[in-house]
Amino acid sequence: NAGVTQTPKFQVLKTGQSMTLQCAQDMNHNSMYWYRQDPGMGLRLIYYSASEGTTDKGEVPNGYNVSRLNKREFSLRLESAAPSQTSVYFCASLAPRDTQYFGPGTRLTVL
Amino acid sequence: AQSVTQLGSHVSVSEGALVLLRCNYSSSVPPYLFWYVQYPNQGLQLLLKYTTGATLVKGINGFEAEFKKSETSFHLTKPSAHMSDAAEYFCAVSAAGGSQGNLIFGKGTKLSVKP
Repeated sequence: NAGVTQTPKFQVLKTGQSMTLQCAQDMNHNSMYWYRQDPGMGLRLIYYSASEGTTDKGEVPNGYNVSRLNKREFSLRLESAAPSQTSVYFCASLAPRDTQYFGPGTRLTVL
Repeated sequence: AQSVTQLGSHVSVSEGALVLLRCNYSSSVPPYLFWYVQYPNQGLQLLLKYTTGATLVKGINGFEAEFKKSETSFHLTKPSAHMSDAAEYFCAVSAAGGSQGNLIFGKGTKLSVKP
């Protein structure tokens, strides 16, 4: 039981490049989330998916797209990366009573 | 709407001293409350949570927190700090059962433990 897994762990992009961050969970959870973490800002919600086939914007969705491929997988795409998107990205899935379980994170640097 | 305020972005204690990390929340509906811990270069790990029932909640690694509705607080404590407690701690709130599980996080408190 791996919990929530994320790939890649680290990534460096140039401005304008695109990439997809992958997330998968093996706990049969319905809801999944993408956050970004910046120093002094806590975690901010980018997008979430309450169930397979549905996605909704969070607090900071601009510049991102998401896909809920199936119940297990929830990917985050940066179509044209910008330096302001340099951050640590976390994926999470939802257990009962609003308890979220987090992946190990992806550290992204955009030059 | 919910919000979370963590007082103190950095807290430093000596090994063996009391740890107190403060969290105040705002919620228009009964809240669920959480503390997460993040060790350097790792993801967030659930430390403890309050959903219903007993207001004093015990978590992992000797931490506990008390839900005080009258004070809208959920402070995190540990009687005796250990070097391994050095980490960043996040308080979070959700609208109990009604927010699609969405959590609102505080900005975090970085705990340093001096030998």
